Amino acid sequence: AQSVTQLDSHVSVSEGTPVLLRCNYSSSYSPSLFWYVQHPNKGLQLLLKYTSAATLVKGINGFDAVFKKSETSFHLTKPSAHMSDAAEYFCVVSEWSSGNQFYFGTGTSLTVIP
Amino acid sequence: DAGVTQSPTHLIKTRGQQVTLRCSPKSGHDTVSWYQQALGQGPQFIFQYYEEEERQRGNFPDRFSGHQFPNYSSELNVNALLLGDSALYLCASSPTSLYTDTQYFGPGTRLTVL
Repeated sequence: AQSVTQLDSHVSVSEGTPVLLRCNYSSSYSPSLFWYVQHPNKGLQLLLKYTSAATLVKGINGFDAVFKKSETSFHLTKPSAHMSDAAEYFCVVSEWSSGNQFYFGTGTSLTVIP
Repeated sequence: DAGVTQSPTHLIKTRGQQVTLRCSPKSGHDTVSWYQQALGQGPQFIFQYYEEEERQRGNFPDRFSGHQFPNYSSELNVNALLLGDSALYLCASSPTSLYTDTQYFGPGTRLTVL
């Protein structure tokens, strides 16, 4: 069975400093992993997706994610935070064997301090 | 190219009533999934429709039902509304393919049950 644990419910950073949002996953097979962002009163926007091979996944808006199979982790990073990055971030796991049903983490709220 | 659209944006109902939410998938997508996002939580999978049939279902009671039309649009119906049904309901679409499982989300319908 698949599951996702987002290790921090809230993260606060200063503008211009690095961002790290942590995600651990559990999966029986080779999973697909995603990060989505949700701005207030908006739908979910795809930041990036991991399927196989590369351990560093490039996303939009300067975000990257690092996949570590040995640690079952998929952490989201950005070298320099911008005020517009303030939002809720969700880590998601899915498997083809389960019909690509998405399993969401509980979310991490990112605050960016000017 | 229009993305996933949902209607209505907001809805207020009273306990015991019935509600219907609507979703139009992204162009070229034939699979529609529905999610419930309670306040402060990650989205929870309700069910998925493909070829006008429910293909997968999450842990939701039978009060939650759906339909998919030949043009791939979909409806979510909830009967006998409870206060706990108050949430943001998200629709997501994806193409049926072995090579992609990315889901694209609509802006959601905010349901308030009084």
